Amino acid sequence: EAQVTQNPRYLITVTGKKLTVTCSQNMNHEYMSWYRQDPGLGLRQIYYSMNVEVTDKGDVPEGYKVSRKEKRNFPLILESPSPNQTSLYFCASSPRTGGLGYYMNTEAFFGQGTRLTVV
Amino acid sequence: KQEVTQIPAALSVPEGENLVLNCSFTDSAIYNLQWFRQDPGKGLTSLLLIQSSQREQTSGRLNASLDKSSGRSTLYIAASQPGDSATYLCAAPDSGGGADGLTFGKGTHLIIQP
Repeated sequence: EAQVTQNPRYLITVTGKKLTVTCSQNMNHEYMSWYRQDPGLGLRQIYYSMNVEVTDKGDVPEGYKVSRKEKRNFPLILESPSPNQTSLYFCASSPRTGGLGYYMNTEAFFGQGTRLTVV
Repeated sequence: KQEVTQIPAALSVPEGENLVLNCSFTDSAIYNLQWFRQDPGKGLTSLLLIQSSQREQTSGRLNASLDKSSGRSTLYIAASQPGDSATYLCAAPDSGGGADGLTFGKGTHLIIQP
């Protein structure tokens, strides 16, 4: 079954304790990204990757790191979590298509989410 | 930067009614637009993806339209059922090709009364 898998689904941690949220997709998609969802603010992009070893900042990258060593995996790393990073996190992937001079993302597929609480 | 607005923010209707959810976006140079459904505490489920070359896309009781020139998309739900209760999100690419990801609206929280 084609899917984006995040782990863990729920996590409670303490301020400053490093953590990693894993994301894996089995659809051979080039594009992967992380979003956080907060009440009243909606979904905002944290980081994205257009392919292996290519990552870039989204709208709210402060306090997060990512890596893309393999096409299927895109972990989100919080080196020193703080309470303002308490949120619902989503990983997403998309295939890219295009031709000379342009590429575009097609349909985005999302994971089931990781609810993170930092106390 | 793309901005996406959804109206109404919340909607409650009796079962069986047809309804329309609205989405507007500011940057019309998009290749596609996507509608999602989110159940409480759950992930996002893709409902429909409309390419810029299309005016409509249908899946079962759902029909989405796209008018790039006016910066609008609508999601039409026919013969609504209680199981349709969820939050519906509209998302448009930040840049024309979506390299920078998607900008989401705040969603329409839909309740279908049995």
